[in-house]
Amino acid sequence: KAGVTQTPRYLIKTRGQQVTLSCSPISGHRSVSWYQQTPGQGLQFLFEYFSETQRNKGNFPGRFSGRQFSNSRSEMNVSTLELGDSALYLCASSSSDESSQAFFGQGTRLTVV
Amino acid sequence: GESVGLHLPTLSVQEGDNSIINCAYSNSASDYFIWYKQESGKGPQFIIDIRSNMDKRQGQRVTVLLNKTVKHLSLQIAATQPGDSAVYFCAEKEYGGSQGNLIFGKGTKLSVKP
Repeated sequence: KAGVTQTPRYLIKTRGQQVTLSCSPISGHRSVSWYQQTPGQGLQFLFEYFSETQRNKGNFPGRFSGRQFSNSRSEMNVSTLELGDSALYLCASSSSDESSQAFFGQGTRLTVV
Repeated sequence: GESVGLHLPTLSVQEGDNSIINCAYSNSASDYFIWYKQESGKGPQFIIDIRSNMDKRQGQRVTVLLNKTVKHLSLQIAATQPGDSAVYFCAEKEYGGSQGNLIFGKGTKLSVKP
């Protein structure tokens, strides 16, 4: 069974631009969560999608948004990029079982210059 | 490889020794706890979990201990191997809730000397 796939692996963008990151969950998993990882703040929850609906949202500004498609693939978008958005963005998928664990992808390393 | 964290607490152990990694969690309502391992350039990998109705759970070479009174969690790794070198995170959430919205600790870097 293929794991969680995130694309692209690396990305360099300029301040003010926008970026879209993609996540393909494990087959059969309907929940996709996004996390931001930085050296200073560690791993922070961005949002979670389940069956195309945002189920939970972390404490991030509105520049961060996401969506989920009918095949459970998810995208997150960051608009008007700031230098502080440079981070590793991780996607995790899980099944709908309450005891299911979250499986993480390898992440997308975003650098804003 | 990519650095997952600067200024992380670091635990350095000799190969073959036991390791103990500690974590203080924040939310009294959390009743489900997970330990993750993150190697350089990779995403976090599930190690072991524990619910709040237990105070100890064992896996293969790993044991998690939970002390709800002081909101403390620990991960014990027996016979530590070089392949155990990584950053270890504890995470908490309310059981039965979605697997999203995990609250992660800051992480501890484990370095195993051969």
